[in-house]
Amino acid sequence: DADVTQTPRNRITKTGKRIMLECSQTKGHDRMYWYRQDPGLGLRLIYYSFDVKDINKGEISDGYSVSRQAQAKFSLSLESAIPNQTALYFCATSDATAIVSSYNEQFFGPGTRLTVL
Amino acid sequence: GNSVTQMEGPVTLSEEAFLTINCTYTATGYPSLFWYVQYPGEGLQLLLKATKADDKGSNKGFEATYRKETTSFHLEKGSVQVSDSAVYFCALRTGNTPLVFGKGTRLSVIA
Repeated sequence: DADVTQTPRNRITKTGKRIMLECSQTKGHDRMYWYRQDPGLGLRLIYYSFDVKDINKGEISDGYSVSRQAQAKFSLSLESAIPNQTALYFCATSDATAIVSSYNEQFFGPGTRLTVL
Repeated sequence: GNSVTQMEGPVTLSEEAFLTINCTYTATGYPSLFWYVQYPGEGLQLLLKATKADDKGSNKGFEATYRKETTSFHLEKGSVQVSDSAVYFCALRTGNTPLVFGKGTRLSVIA
């Protein structure tokens, strides 16, 4: 079973619709992240959360919101989807057990491909 | 702030050719450096990492050495295979910050 799961895997929606992408993890990690991937732009950070009560904006948070419902769940919402939010969205997790915090790798889900028409 | 610059692709090689993908970085503080790989239709997975200067990360025949003097972390493999066709991302983090990624380099290996 996958440690980091994302639902749905594919979604097509229309401009103006509200969309929620969900991420669940069984790794027991406190830290969770949302990135979007666009061709030629790599991965850009949208939001991240270091624990249930902690939410931080990333590089491109405008037009997005998140909810950390539990340690294992972190949802990304597009309140009113627009076509330039068409992208591949990845959830990731990491722990904080390394002696030096920067050593901790991030583990990624399989991605959600979102198309906004 | 933190940033990563990696060579643009796509890179097309014949099987058994030597691979180098260049990566340079700018960081506030002392970064850990990573290479991630994304196979077609999949998420990203860690390929290798290095956490201090002169460390060499290695995995599946790939290697990269943390060069503080040139702020670089170039990925190399001596003999690529068709199964290495993927997108490769260089990334870094400092302290508790989330990973910052380069734009990715697509590698295609032809038989």
